[in-house]
Amino acid sequence: KAGVTQTPRYLIKTRGQQVTLSCSPISGHRSVSWYQQTPGQGLQFLFEYFSETQRNKGNFPGRFSGRQFSNSRSEMNVSTLELGDSALYLCASSLDLAERTDTQYFGPGTRLTVL
Amino acid sequence: AQTVTQSQPEMSVQEAETVTLSCTYDTSENNYYLFWYKQPPSRQMILVIRQEAYKQQNATENRFSVNFQKAAKSFSLKISDSQLGDTAMYFCAFSRVNDMRFGAGTRLTVKP
Repeated sequence: KAGVTQTPRYLIKTRGQQVTLSCSPISGHRSVSWYQQTPGQGLQFLFEYFSETQRNKGNFPGRFSGRQFSNSRSEMNVSTLELGDSALYLCASSLDLAERTDTQYFGPGTRLTVL
Repeated sequence: AQTVTQSQPEMSVQEAETVTLSCTYDTSENNYYLFWYKQPPSRQMILVIRQEAYKQQNATENRFSVNFQKAAKSFSLKISDSQLGDTAMYFCAFSRVNDMRFGAGTRLTVKP
């Protein structure tokens, strides 16, 4: 099976712009989670989607949003970019994160740089 | 809220030696999962090993094993016969229904 894919891999934006990142989960996986990774804050949970519904949300401002499509592919959007949004954004998929037997598989990430 | 603490920001080990990475967590739950993930430099995060809290037996995957102490809320990772390819950031993670928390990570360097 193909792994989790994320596009684009690298992105450079300027303050005030908005950005959309895409994640394609492993075939058959229905849960997609997003994380922000920075040197200072480490890995922080953004949100999790399952069957097109946001099931859990981390402590991030409303500028961060996401959605999931019927084929389980997910997008996250960041509006009004700030310098502090520069980070590696990781997507992870699992069959169903609500199932305790489940394991998340990570994509390679999208490195976003905000100038 | 669940928190995960990795008290060793950086560690190093000689090739072929054994190293142990520490992780403690805080939860009031009884059923949960614990994971160790590895993130090599500029490469994808991959699962190293996982442990179900209801199992007393420590998980083992080849050269990787854990010491799970549920009462102490401790979950350490032991890497035996360290190899240069083990150089990476290692993250301890706690998972419950719909929620997953990561520690800050330990940067492990394996020296030749």
